[in-house]
Amino acid sequence: AQRVTQPEKLLSVFKGAPVELKCNYSYSGSPELFWYVQYSRQRLQLLLRHISRESIKGFTADLNKGETSFHLKKPFAQEEDSAMYYCALPSTGRRALTFGSGTRLQVQP
Amino acid sequence: GAGVSQTPSNKVTEKGKYVELRCDPISGHTALYWYRQSLGQGPEFLIYFQGTGAADDSGLPNDRFFAVRPEGSVSTLKIQRTERGDSAVYLCASSPTRDYEQYFGPGTRLTVT
Repeated sequence: AQRVTQPEKLLSVFKGAPVELKCNYSYSGSPELFWYVQYSRQRLQLLLRHISRESIKGFTADLNKGETSFHLKKPFAQEEDSAMYYCALPSTGRRALTFGSGTRLQVQP
Repeated sequence: GAGVSQTPSNKVTEKGKYVELRCDPISGHTALYWYRQSLGQGPEFLIYFQGTGAADDSGLPNDRFFAVRPEGSVSTLKIQRTERGDSAVYLCASSPTRDYEQYFGPGTRLTVT
């Protein structure tokens, strides 16, 4: 069965520091991976998906099939990046998403 | 345009009572999902509708949980004989038919006392 692992519950960095939020997955086949973000008092929203290969709000994520990872990176963190971040992928043979347990990013001034 | 809406935003009920949670998806989205999010966890899948029919209800934890989407738009999640362990945030999401990207509502926080 597919699984998404986000090993860090909390990641605290200073403004301007690089950020890497880790995501590892197990999946049979070629997965489509997503990062969702939830800012304080806001709804869960899509940040980026690997097939689009875009950089959103300065964040990028590269799918590494050899390491089964999809880590989210940003070279210079901003205070407004503080939020909960969830990695997700479609459940095998289904349309529902399987989410990791999330990482809280705190960017301190 | 309007996003996914959910009502109520908060619901407090006593153990053993029946509750209904409502979801209004984005207009034109044929796919609708319910998830449950417990404290400190990511959302967990409950049920998926494609149009009016439940295409996948494998995530429903037991037969106390039921959901309907009679006209292919608004959906209602129904929980019978609520238990304290049902306390969580219930999230609804919708998507266009052929896309995995899901648009989430603000959630309903259910507290069973």
